[in-house]
Amino acid sequence: DAKTTQPNSMESNEEEPVHLPCNHSTISGTDYIHWYRQLPSQGPEYVIHGLTSNVNNRMASLAIAEDRKSSTLILHRATLRDAAVYYCILRDNNNAGNMLTFGGGTRLMVKP
Amino acid sequence: GAVVSQHPSWVICKSGTSVKIECRSLDFQATTMFWYRQFPKQSLMLMATSNEGSKATYEQGVEKDKFLINHASLTLSTLTVTSAHPEDSSFYICSARGRYSNQPQHFGDGTRLSIL
Repeated sequence: DAKTTQPNSMESNEEEPVHLPCNHSTISGTDYIHWYRQLPSQGPEYVIHGLTSNVNNRMASLAIAEDRKSSTLILHRATLRDAAVYYCILRDNNNAGNMLTFGGGTRLMVKP
Repeated sequence: GAVVSQHPSWVICKSGTSVKIECRSLDFQATTMFWYRQFPKQSLMLMATSNEGSKATYEQGVEKDKFLINHASLTLSTLTVTSAHPEDSSFYICSARGRYSNQPQHFGDGTRLSIL
């Protein structure tokens, strides 16, 4: 899987939107962009994934650049419970053997 | 939604003990299961991948005789840490995925293993 680059940490104020960036300049045409988050002392939780078009679900939105070399996870209104490490991961969904390979992620801190 | 249950949540035991961790998919058939390990302040590191009914594939540097993986059914995989030592203390997390590679991977809540 191609590598991703994320900031080590970010801060946000409660009830404000948060934009978490991810660079993946070596992404291949069959790589999907996955986002997971890990709350303290828990396993990772699926957030969202996409290929080319922007995606929305109840948790977040995913904005994918036109050239697919970067993406942004958008939390529309951060809460204290959103404080977690957010991982941006590329995975070739067409390859049955491919697993999720975790990088360092971005530690999001939410201030009340 | 899909749920992966991992048991136990934490375990403390003496050096030399073998410890078994169970991972169950509760509402889907887990064709493929993954075991990860996470040390404090670090990211998850994949240990091994197992497909139901087949031998697990271990990542480089992971001893297969030390970390025994059994994936005998579509809903259950176990990881046994044999003759555990303090350096094996870590947070172990299982993950499961259905038959199709475009399905999300779902994770258990992890097992915190402390070896005294």
